[in-house]
Amino acid sequence: KAGVTQTPRYLIKTRGQQVTLSCSPISGHRSVSWYQQTPGQGLQFLFEYFSETQRNKGNFPGRFSGRQFSNSRSEMNVSTLELGDSALYLCASSLGQDGETQYFGPGTRLLVL
Amino acid sequence: KQEVTQIPAALSVPEGENLVLNCSFTDSAIYNLQWFRQDPGKGLTSLLLIQSSQREQTSGRLNASLDKSSGRSTLYIAASQPGDSATYLCAVQDDMRFGAGTRLTVKP
Repeated sequence: KAGVTQTPRYLIKTRGQQVTLSCSPISGHRSVSWYQQTPGQGLQFLFEYFSETQRNKGNFPGRFSGRQFSNSRSEMNVSTLELGDSALYLCASSLGQDGETQYFGPGTRLLVL
Repeated sequence: KQEVTQIPAALSVPEGENLVLNCSFTDSAIYNLQWFRQDPGKGLTSLLLIQSSQREQTSGRLNASLDKSSGRSTLYIAASQPGDSATYLCAVQDDMRFGAGTRLTVKP
C-alpha cells in the first residue's frame, strides 16, 4: 500500500502571498490531519478532516484553512503569508476511528521570505 | 489545557545500552498516547500506541508504558543501535498534543 504523499515537498514564497499544500492519504483512510512543526513551537495540530467535514481544529488564525475532497485527498491553504509561517507542514491519515494510529507523510517544507 | 513534557531533551548513549525516555502530561483524561520517531527533515513514524485502558505495549526492542494516574509514559529501548538515532516524540491523543521530543544519539 502506498503511504501518505504530500506535494510539493519544498516551497518558497514571499510575505503576503498565499499557498496551497496537498495531501493524499493512504487508500481507504478517511481522516486527514494537518500539523505545523517549527523549531520554536514544536509540532502543533492545525485541523482534522473526516469525510469532507472538519472534525477538529487547533488554535491557529483564520488564515489557515483546509478542505477535504470526496476521495479523501486534502488541501491546506495559508493566506497572507507571514515570516513565522515558515515551517514543516505534516499531514497524517487514519481510518478515522478514535484512538487509531496516524500515519504521517514526509511533509512540505515552506520557507517564507 | 493539556501540557506534554519530554525529558531529557537530548540523550547520547553508547551502542548496546538500554535506555528510557520519559513523557509526562498534565491532564489524565486522555484517549490514548502514541510514540513516534522522526528522522531529520522527515515525517513521523508511529512506534507504539497505548490505549487509555492499557498499561503497556511492546514491539520488538521497544516497550511503552502508560500510567494515567501519575500522568506519565515511558518508552524503553533495549540494546540500542546506531539506527535508533532519531528524535522521539510522544503525543497525547485527545487533540493530538505533542511533546517537544527527545533527540537520541546512539554512538557505535
